[in-house]
Amino acid sequence: QVQLQESGPGLVKPSETLSLTCTVSGGSISSYYWSWIRQPPGKGLEWIGYIYYSGSTKYNPSLKSRVTTSVDTSKNQFSLNLNSVTAADTAVYHCAREARDGGYFDYWGQGTLVTVDS
Amino acid sequence: EIVLTQSPDFQSVTPKEKVTITCRASQSIGSNLHWYQQKPDQSPKLLINYASQSFSGVPSRFSGSGSGTDFTLTINSLEAEDAATYYCHQSRSFPLTFGGGTKVEIK
Repeated sequence: QVQLQESGPGLVKPSETLSLTCTVSGGSISSYYWSWIRQPPGKGLEWIGYIYYSGSTKYNPSLKSRVTTSVDTSKNQFSLNLNSVTAADTAVYHCAREARDGGYFDYWGQGTLVTVDS
Repeated sequence: EIVLTQSPDFQSVTPKEKVTITCRASQSIGSNLHWYQQKPDQSPKLLINYASQSFSGVPSRFSGSGSGTDFTLTINSLEAEDAATYYCHQSRSFPLTFGGGTKVEIK
């Protein structure tokens, strides 16, 4: 059974960089697209972007100027960096796997709350 | 960007009742529409992919239909464990987008 687990600081100061890692267990990171999706408290879901195991990426234009992602296949991990954060970036951040036949997310991490506050 | 509009925002339903949730896309997305269930303090779980295909292990009371711009998620004979927020999601074009969610409460 594939499992995803997000990790990283739960508190980030305004203007700093939010950094999270997603560790994949029970399956290989290879041959899949891996996404980050966030959810402000009490609100809906926003797709941040994806990274393919080979390193190619695609981001939501609304966040593109502030987002970078990376993948480490040797550790079965992928990561998110979001710079210049503000309170509006406070959210639960989920990592998720896009299914092999494309389009939908078949496995999700439990999510991790990141609060932006001084 | 494709906007997905769900209705209703909230529904209070008696057990064994039928629930219908709709999702309307701002432009045609074919069958590239998926449904998720999210319970409090949990991550979303896939119910239906490509408008009408039930994901593995999903109870048969959940079904999906539609194509183009109008889609429906139906829960036949609602059970107490179905209390959750339901989201639609389109994968027709980037950026990937989600509907605003429909919260289903059990009376």
